[in-house]
Amino acid sequence: DQQVKQNSPSLSVQEGRISILNCDYTNSMFDYFLWYKKYPAEGPTFLISISSIKDKNEDGRFTVFLNKSAKHLSLHIVPSQPGDSAVYFCAASAEGSNYKLTFGKGTLLTVNP
Amino acid sequence: DVKVTQSSRYLVKRTGEKVFLECVQDMDHENMFWYRQDPGLGLRLIYFSYDVKMKEKGDIPEGYSVSREKKERFSLILESASTNQTSMYLCASSLAGYSGYTFGSGTRLTVV
Repeated sequence: DQQVKQNSPSLSVQEGRISILNCDYTNSMFDYFLWYKKYPAEGPTFLISISSIKDKNEDGRFTVFLNKSAKHLSLHIVPSQPGDSAVYFCAASAEGSNYKLTFGKGTLLTVNP
Repeated sequence: DVKVTQSSRYLVKRTGEKVFLECVQDMDHENMFWYRQDPGLGLRLIYFSYDVKMKEKGDIPEGYSVSREKKERFSLILESASTNQTSMYLCASSLAGYSGYTFGSGTRLTVV
Protein backbone atom coordinates (compact mmCIF):
# COMPACT_ATOMS: atom_id res chain seq x y z
CA ASP A 1 0.00 0.00 0.00
CA GLN A 2 1.57 3.23 -1.14
CA GLN A 3 1.34 5.77 1.66
CA VAL A 4 2.89 8.66 -0.25
CA LYS A 5 1.72 9.17 -3.80
CA GLN A 6 3.04 11.38 -6.54
CA ASN A 7 0.58 10.76 -9.32
CA SER A 8 2.37 12.70 -12.03
CA PRO A 9 5.48 10.88 -13.25
CA SER A 10 6.56 13.92 -15.22
CA LEU A 11 5.91 17.63 -15.66
CA SER A 12 7.17 20.03 -18.30
CA VAL A 13 7.11 23.82 -17.90
CA GLN A 14 8.59 26.85 -19.60
CA GLU A 15 11.40 28.80 -18.01
CA GLY A 16 10.06 31.65 -15.90
CA ARG A 17 6.68 30.04 -15.30
CA ILE A 18 5.43 28.34 -12.14
CA SER A 19 6.05 24.64 -11.51
CA ILE A 20 3.57 22.88 -9.23
CA LEU A 21 4.39 19.40 -8.01
CA ASN A 22 1.75 17.51 -6.09
CA CYS A 23 1.84 14.83 -3.42
CA ASP A 24 -0.91 12.95 -1.58
CA TYR A 25 -0.61 10.81 1.51
CA THR A 26 -2.84 8.30 3.24
CA ASN A 27 -1.27 7.88 6.68
CA SER A 28 -2.86 10.35 9.10
CA MET A 29 0.05 9.80 11.51
CA PHE A 30 2.46 11.62 9.21
CA ASP A 31 3.44 14.90 10.83
CA TYR A 32 6.50 16.06 8.92
CA PHE A 33 6.88 16.41 5.18
CA LEU A 34 9.89 17.05 3.00
CA TRP A 35 10.80 17.56 -0.63
CA TYR A 36 14.03 16.28 -2.12
CA LYS A 37 15.54 16.99 -5.51
CA LYS A 38 17.62 14.43 -7.37
CA TYR A 39 19.83 14.84 -10.40
CA PRO A 40 20.90 11.74 -12.38
CA ALA A 41 23.81 9.80 -10.85
CA GLU A 42 23.64 11.85 -7.64
CA GLY A 43 22.00 11.33 -4.27
CA PRO A 44 18.84 13.28 -3.41
CA THR A 45 19.35 16.66 -1.76
CA PHE A 46 17.01 18.24 0.75
CA LEU A 47 14.96 21.10 -0.63
CA ILE A 48 12.30 22.22 1.83
CA SER A 49 10.16 20.81 4.62
CA ILE A 50 6.98 21.55 6.53
CA SER A 51 5.60 20.47 9.87
CA SER A 52 1.96 19.50 10.22
CA ILE A 53 1.37 22.48 12.50
CA LYS A 54 1.91 24.79 9.52
CA ASP A 55 0.16 25.12 6.20
CA LYS A 56 2.87 26.96 4.30
CA ASN A 57 6.63 27.23 4.30
CA GLU A 58 8.63 29.40 1.93
CA ASP A 59 12.31 29.43 1.03
CA GLY A 60 13.28 31.70 -1.83
CA ARG A 61 11.71 30.42 -5.05
CA PHE A 62 10.33 27.33 -3.31
CA THR A 63 7.09 27.17 -1.34
CA VAL A 64 5.45 24.10 0.13
CA PHE A 65 1.74 24.10 0.95
CA LEU A 66 0.10 21.55 3.24
CA ASN A 67 -3.62 20.78 3.29
CA LYS A 68 -4.08 18.36 6.17
CA SER A 69 -7.79 17.82 5.67
CA ALA A 70 -7.16 16.74 2.09
CA LYS A 71 -3.90 14.94 2.99
CA HIS A 72 -2.26 16.84 0.18
CA LEU A 73 0.87 18.87 -0.22
CA SER A 74 2.34 20.74 -3.12
CA LEU A 75 5.66 22.30 -4.04
CA HIS A 76 5.62 25.56 -6.00
CA ILE A 77 8.70 26.77 -7.82
CA VAL A 78 8.53 30.36 -9.04
CA PRO A 79 10.10 31.29 -11.37
CA SER A 80 11.21 27.96 -12.79
CA GLN A 81 14.74 27.73 -14.15
CA PRO A 82 16.37 25.12 -16.42
CA GLY A 83 18.62 24.11 -13.51
CA ASP A 84 15.50 23.02 -11.64
CA SER A 85 15.12 20.11 -14.07
CA ALA A 86 15.41 17.02 -11.86
CA VAL A 87 13.35 14.32 -10.17
CA TYR A 88 11.47 15.63 -7.13
CA PHE A 89 10.57 13.27 -4.31
CA CYS A 90 7.95 13.95 -1.69
CA ALA A 91 8.63 12.29 1.69
CA ALA A 92 6.83 11.99 5.01
CA SER A 93 7.54 10.79 8.52
CA ALA A 94 5.49 10.01 11.59
CA GLU A 95 6.41 10.62 15.21
CA GLY A 96 7.50 7.37 16.77
CA SER A 97 8.62 5.84 13.48
CA ASN A 98 12.31 6.28 14.36
CA TYR A 99 12.16 9.14 11.90
CA LYS A 100 11.94 6.77 8.99
CA LEU A 101 10.98 8.61 5.83
CA THR A 102 8.47 7.20 3.37
CA PHE A 103 9.04 8.46 -0.16
CA GLY A 104 6.80 8.89 -3.15
CA LYS A 105 7.83 7.58 -6.56
CA GLY A 106 9.02 10.96 -7.75
CA THR A 107 8.09 13.46 -10.46
CA LEU A 108 10.50 14.32 -13.25
CA LEU A 109 10.41 18.09 -13.80
CA THR A 110 11.71 19.46 -17.07
CA VAL A 111 12.08 23.21 -17.40
CA ASN A 112 12.45 24.25 -21.02
CA PRO A 113 14.48 27.36 -21.92
CA ASP B 1 28.46 20.23 5.90
CA VAL B 2 27.47 16.68 6.71
CA LYS B 3 29.11 14.25 4.39
CA VAL B 4 27.85 10.78 3.57
CA THR B 5 30.35 8.80 1.52
CA GLN B 6 29.57 5.65 -0.39
CA SER B 7 32.65 3.66 -1.27
CA SER B 8 31.88 3.01 -4.93
CA ARG B 9 29.99 5.00 -7.57
CA TYR B 10 29.73 2.09 -10.01
CA LEU B 11 30.02 -1.62 -9.35
CA VAL B 12 29.61 -4.67 -11.57
CA LYS B 13 29.26 -8.06 -9.89
CA ARG B 14 28.42 -11.57 -11.02
CA THR B 15 25.31 -13.51 -10.03
CA GLY B 16 25.90 -15.40 -6.80
CA GLU B 17 28.70 -13.16 -5.51
CA LYS B 18 28.58 -11.72 -2.01
CA VAL B 19 28.57 -7.94 -2.34
CA PHE B 20 29.44 -5.33 0.26
CA LEU B 21 28.31 -1.72 -0.09
CA GLU B 22 29.94 0.62 2.39
CA CYS B 23 28.66 3.91 3.73
CA VAL B 24 30.42 6.30 6.09
CA GLN B 25 29.10 9.55 7.60
CA ASP B 26 31.22 12.11 9.39
CA MET B 27 28.75 14.05 11.54
CA ASP B 28 27.97 11.68 14.39
CA HIS B 29 24.46 10.93 13.16
CA GLU B 30 22.55 8.29 15.08
CA ASN B 31 20.34 7.10 12.24
CA MET B 32 21.52 5.49 9.02
CA PHE B 33 19.49 4.08 6.16
CA TRP B 34 19.85 2.08 2.97
CA TYR B 35 17.46 2.68 0.07
CA ARG B 36 17.33 1.47 -3.48
CA GLN B 37 15.99 3.55 -6.33
CA ASP B 38 14.41 1.96 -9.39
CA PRO B 39 12.59 3.64 -12.29
CA GLY B 40 8.89 3.95 -11.58
CA LEU B 41 9.28 2.65 -8.03
CA GLY B 42 10.91 5.59 -6.30
CA LEU B 43 13.00 5.13 -3.18
CA ARG B 44 12.37 1.96 -1.21
CA LEU B 45 13.79 1.36 2.25
CA ILE B 46 15.88 -1.79 2.64
CA TYR B 47 17.21 -1.52 6.21
CA PHE B 48 17.87 1.16 8.75
CA SER B 49 19.74 1.52 12.00
CA TYR B 50 19.20 3.99 14.85
CA ASP B 51 22.17 2.91 16.95
CA VAL B 52 25.34 0.88 16.81
CA LYS B 53 24.60 -2.82 16.43
CA MET B 54 20.90 -2.03 16.05
CA LYS B 55 19.10 -2.70 12.80
CA GLU B 56 15.53 -2.82 11.58
CA LYS B 57 14.05 -4.16 8.39
CA GLY B 58 12.59 -1.74 5.95
CA ASP B 59 10.08 -2.46 3.23
CA ILE B 60 12.21 -4.73 1.03
CA PRO B 61 14.85 -6.52 3.18
CA GLU B 62 14.77 -9.86 1.37
CA GLY B 63 18.16 -10.82 -0.04
CA TYR B 64 19.98 -8.19 2.01
CA SER B 65 21.61 -7.87 5.40
CA VAL B 66 23.36 -5.01 7.16
CA SER B 67 26.09 -4.38 9.66
CA ARG B 68 26.70 -1.42 11.95
CA GLU B 69 29.70 -2.07 14.17
CA LYS B 70 30.65 1.60 14.47
CA LYS B 71 28.42 4.66 14.61
CA GLU B 72 29.82 6.20 11.45
CA ARG B 73 29.68 3.12 9.22
CA PHE B 74 26.69 1.23 7.86
CA SER B 75 27.27 -1.63 5.44
CA LEU B 76 24.76 -3.26 3.13
CA ILE B 77 25.44 -6.88 2.21
CA LEU B 78 23.97 -8.77 -0.71
CA GLU B 79 24.39 -12.35 0.43
CA SER B 80 24.12 -13.85 -3.06
CA ALA B 81 23.71 -11.20 -5.74
CA SER B 82 20.95 -11.68 -8.29
CA THR B 83 20.11 -9.76 -11.45
CA ASN B 84 16.98 -8.27 -9.84
CA GLN B 85 19.26 -6.51 -7.38
CA THR B 86 20.66 -4.36 -10.18
CA SER B 87 19.79 -0.89 -8.95
CA MET B 88 20.95 2.45 -7.60
CA TYR B 89 21.69 2.09 -3.88
CA LEU B 90 21.51 5.15 -1.69
CA CYS B 91 22.77 5.51 1.85
CA ALA B 92 21.48 8.27 4.13
CA SER B 93 21.98 9.46 7.67
CA SER B 94 20.14 11.73 10.09
CA LEU B 95 20.26 12.99 13.63
CA ALA B 96 17.99 11.42 16.20
CA GLY B 97 14.96 13.64 16.55
CA TYR B 98 15.38 15.18 13.12
CA SER B 99 13.60 13.79 10.13
CA GLY B 100 15.72 15.19 7.35
CA TYR B 101 18.23 12.90 5.71
CA THR B 102 21.59 13.58 4.13
CA PHE B 103 22.19 11.22 1.25
CA GLY B 104 25.35 9.86 -0.27
CA SER B 105 25.96 10.07 -4.00
CA GLY B 106 24.76 6.53 -4.58
CA THR B 107 26.23 3.30 -5.90
CA ARG B 108 25.03 2.05 -9.27
CA LEU B 109 25.22 -1.74 -8.94
CA THR B 110 24.90 -3.98 -11.97
CA VAL B 111 24.63 -7.74 -11.42
CA VAL B 112 25.40 -9.78 -14.52
